[in-house]
Amino acid sequence: QIALKESGPTLVKPTQTLTLTCTFSGFSLSTSGVGVGWIRQPPGKALEWLAVIYWNDDRRYSPSLKSRVTITKDTSKNQVVLTMTNMDPVDTATYYCAHRPPYCRGGSCLDYWGQGTLVTVSS
Amino acid sequence: QSALTQPRSVSGSPGQSVTISCSGTSSDVGGYDHVSWYQQHPGKAPKFIIYDVTKRPSGVPDRFSGSKSGNTASLTISGLQAEDEADYYCCSPASSSSVFGGGTKLTVL
Repeated sequence: QIALKESGPTLVKPTQTLTLTCTFSGFSLSTSGVGVGWIRQPPGKALEWLAVIYWNDDRRYSPSLKSRVTITKDTSKNQVVLTMTNMDPVDTATYYCAHRPPYCRGGSCLDYWGQGTLVTVSS
Repeated sequence: QSALTQPRSVSGSPGQSVTISCSGTSSDVGGYDHVSWYQQHPGKAPKFIIYDVTKRPSGVPDRFSGSKSGNTASLTISGLQAEDEADYYCCSPASSSSVFGGGTKLTVL
């Protein structure tokens, strides 16, 4: 069965770079059509789509965050890494990673989600 | 791009039907037949309930259905149950990325 889990720091200081790792099982990122996306949710607010990486290393980013976000994959380790530079208190949120199945089109279709990890940005 | 527009809240009594709208533009909802919907209970990760506008993943009750007309997608929940009380989000491809709606809180009266 498919499972994903996010890991990384719970607290970062303003201006620092955040690095989050999504470790998954039950699928391979080398399988045609598969992707892994990142989504965040500030406390009490809506979901925000951040980025997705596909099996063929195609990467897509939210236009509003494209200059700050990088998504990479390590297929051999079953991991996807999200880095976000120049963190600000407004970036405080629960960050989720999720599986994009091969039967879907686009990065909006995410069938299995991790539990999420809360990242607080504060000095 | 801007978040898709959803009503902040909707409500209904058990057994009734409710519809949640998701309005966008021709660059997102109107331009793709790949809108997805998610259900989120407090403190939980979102759950995938509709994809490609009308399709239900395995295990999702047929009480949940989706549709689209022009730049607006809709989620209809029929035969409301207490467990349906949750936040609901739409999501659409948008050019080279994707965008979520602002979310709708469903209250079962």
